Amino acid sequence: DTAVSQTPKYLVTQMGNDKSIKCEQNLGHDTMYWYKQDSKKFLKIMFSYNNKELIINETVPNRFSPKSPDKAHLNLHINSLELGDSAVYFCASSQVGGLQPQHFGDGTRLSIL
Amino acid sequence: RKEVEQDPGPFNVPEGATVAFNCTYSNSASQSFFWYRQDCRKEPKLLMSVYSSGNEDGRFTAQLNRASQYISLLIRDSKLSDSATYLCVVIWNNNDMRFGAGTRLTVKP
Repeated sequence: DTAVSQTPKYLVTQMGNDKSIKCEQNLGHDTMYWYKQDSKKFLKIMFSYNNKELIINETVPNRFSPKSPDKAHLNLHINSLELGDSAVYFCASSQVGGLQPQHFGDGTRLSIL
Repeated sequence: RKEVEQDPGPFNVPEGATVAFNCTYSNSASQSFFWYRQDCRKEPKLLMSVYSSGNEDGRFTAQLNRASQYISLLIRDSKLSDSATYLCVVIWNNNDMRFGAGTRLTVKP
C-alpha cells in the first residue's frame, strides 16, 4: 500500500492554465508538506500543514494555494501557470511535532509549454 | 552562509571503496538531523537519522558535531546500488525541514 500518494504523476499543460495536484497519506500523520524541486535538483519547502492548519508558508507566489480538507489530504492548486513553475512537486507527511522524518510521495512532474 | 551546505560532488568511486560526505548547517538551534537518499527521478527516501552520539546502520555511519554544526555520512564497502544523491536534512524547529542541495555519488565496477 502506498503511504503517500500524489496524482497525477505527470502534468503537461500550457502557460496560463490552472491545475491541481492531489496528495493523500494513509500513515495517520498530522503534518503534511509540499516541496518544489527545480531543474538544479534543489528541494525547497513551499507549505506545511498541521491538522489542516497552515504552519509554514515560504515565499511562494499567491498563485499557489494549498487546501487541506482533512489531515490525510493536502492538495495544491496553481493558478495562471508560468514557465518557471516547471519542476517536480513532492508531497510529504510526518508525525506530529515535525521532529520525525518525513515520508515523500513519488512526485508530480509538471511541465509548462 | 547557506542554511544547509553540502559538497555537490560528484563523487566517483570504485566498488568496495569507503566514501565520506560532509554537511554544515547555519542554525545552531537545529533539533533533528537526517540523511536522505534520492535516486534519479525518484522521491527522497530516509536513509538514517543522525544522533549526537553517532550511529551506525550496516555499512553506513552518521556523525553529528553540534559545536561545529557539522554532520557526516560514511559509506564503507561501496556497492553499485549506493549510486544516488545523498541529501543532508536539518529540522530547524517544529515542522521546518531544510534540505542541502545533495551530494551525488557514482559507484563504478
